[in-house]
Amino acid sequence: QSVLTQPPSVSAAPGQKVTIFCSGSSSNVAKNSLSWYQQLPATAPKLLIYDNNKRPSGIPDRFSGSKSGTSATLDITGLQTGDEADYYCASWDSTLSGVVFGGGTKLTVL
Amino acid sequence: EVQLVESGGGLVQPGGSLRLSCEVSGFTFRSYEMHWVRQAPGKGLEWLAYISGGSSAIYYADSVKGRFTISRDNAKNSLFLEMNSLRAEDTAVYYCSRWGSYGYHFDYWGQGALVTVSS
Repeated sequence: QSVLTQPPSVSAAPGQKVTIFCSGSSSNVAKNSLSWYQQLPATAPKLLIYDNNKRPSGIPDRFSGSKSGTSATLDITGLQTGDEADYYCASWDSTLSGVVFGGGTKLTVL
Repeated sequence: EVQLVESGGGLVQPGGSLRLSCEVSGFTFRSYEMHWVRQAPGKGLEWLAYISGGSSAIYYADSVKGRFTISRDNAKNSLFLEMNSLRAEDTAVYYCSRWGSYGYHFDYWGQGALVTVSS
């Protein structure tokens, strides 16, 4: 059971928009910044969003993040087949003194 | 170019030990906090351990506390994970990852090292 809660899967058609939710608590998401990672099959995770809504260089603006209280969302617009991957949210937990991850959300682009 | 390269994975018997290494390049290693994260087959990411730049602060997940030890050698640009009393459930791909300078996030990851615990 992961500390952060994500839906196991989401799906949408190419060109559409999908939203992935991440829910935590007062000791993690509400208190500290949240990040999102994309993991393509058989590869290492890659940073997509940091500090709740910032994109590293090279990440297209089709990917955006937001946070409110104990919840956060990752929006992906203009879906492409290459976006099919597992997406993870993560945050520092001040009570556990460690990083907590969501269970991951598998995105299928139909 | 920032690079993190893990090594030391392999097959080990239950109860055995293994030491993973992560050699980094392309940045000033001593200035960055580092972590180990693992992923069991078909499962999600699990954070394991954190170490500050000067090794003064170290934290562990409960699942590995007392069995795993994180350490670093800043002179050799290397991060380590000493794993003892290994169990079948420790079978996973182990990633080393750099903690971003500003904010709480992993900005770079290694390619991973597979550890298989089996008799």
